[in-house]
Amino acid sequence: AQSVTQLGSHVSVSEGALVLLRCNYSSSVPPYLFWYVQYPNQGLQLLLKYTTGATLVKGINGFEAEFKKSETSFHLTKPSAHMSDAAEYFCAVSLTGTASKLTFGTGTRLQVTL
Amino acid sequence: DAGVIQSPRHEVTEMGQEVTLRCKPISGHDYLFWYRQTMMRGLELLIYFNNNVPIDDSGMPEDRFSAKMPNASFSTLKIQPSEPRDSAVYFCASSPTRTGWGNTEAFFGQGTRLTVV
Repeated sequence: AQSVTQLGSHVSVSEGALVLLRCNYSSSVPPYLFWYVQYPNQGLQLLLKYTTGATLVKGINGFEAEFKKSETSFHLTKPSAHMSDAAEYFCAVSLTGTASKLTFGTGTRLQVTL
Repeated sequence: DAGVIQSPRHEVTEMGQEVTLRCKPISGHDYLFWYRQTMMRGLELLIYFNNNVPIDDSGMPEDRFSAKMPNASFSTLKIQPSEPRDSAVYFCASSPTRTGWGNTEAFFGQGTRLTVV
């Protein structure tokens, strides 16, 4: 079984500040990890994913995430927040050896202020 | 490609009525997923298909819910009879098979916002 925990349902940062959204996972086997973004009234869009190989993954819009097996974490970061980053962000896990069936975290709403 | 297309975008219906949500996956994708999003429960997988065959429907909440995929380019999610607690945003997603399992990207439609009054 797998699960995802996102710490903080709401995060507020100033424009230009560092964005850090936390995600911890639980999985009995090496997982595939994803970050999705959902803008208001839109579907989910993939930001980045970790499958195998390099543990630092770069995604779209300047976001990146680092897979840390020892900490069972996959935190999402962006050096400098932009107003357009305001959205809801979902961490998700999918088990190796299964079809792409995603288990999502509860989401973190990012607010960016001036 | 236009992406995953869902219709309608919004649906308001009265309790007891039948509701049908529609989805057109991305051409060439062999997986199709139906998710439900609510404030209380977040995103839940209801059912998924592989090559038009239902693989896992363990997330379907009740017998009132049914899903079909008659061909590779169309799927429906039906609720009969609908209840107020079914109010949610329903997402359809499709995914291609790449090398290995579980490392594929799900492409989501814009969702159908269902309100049952």
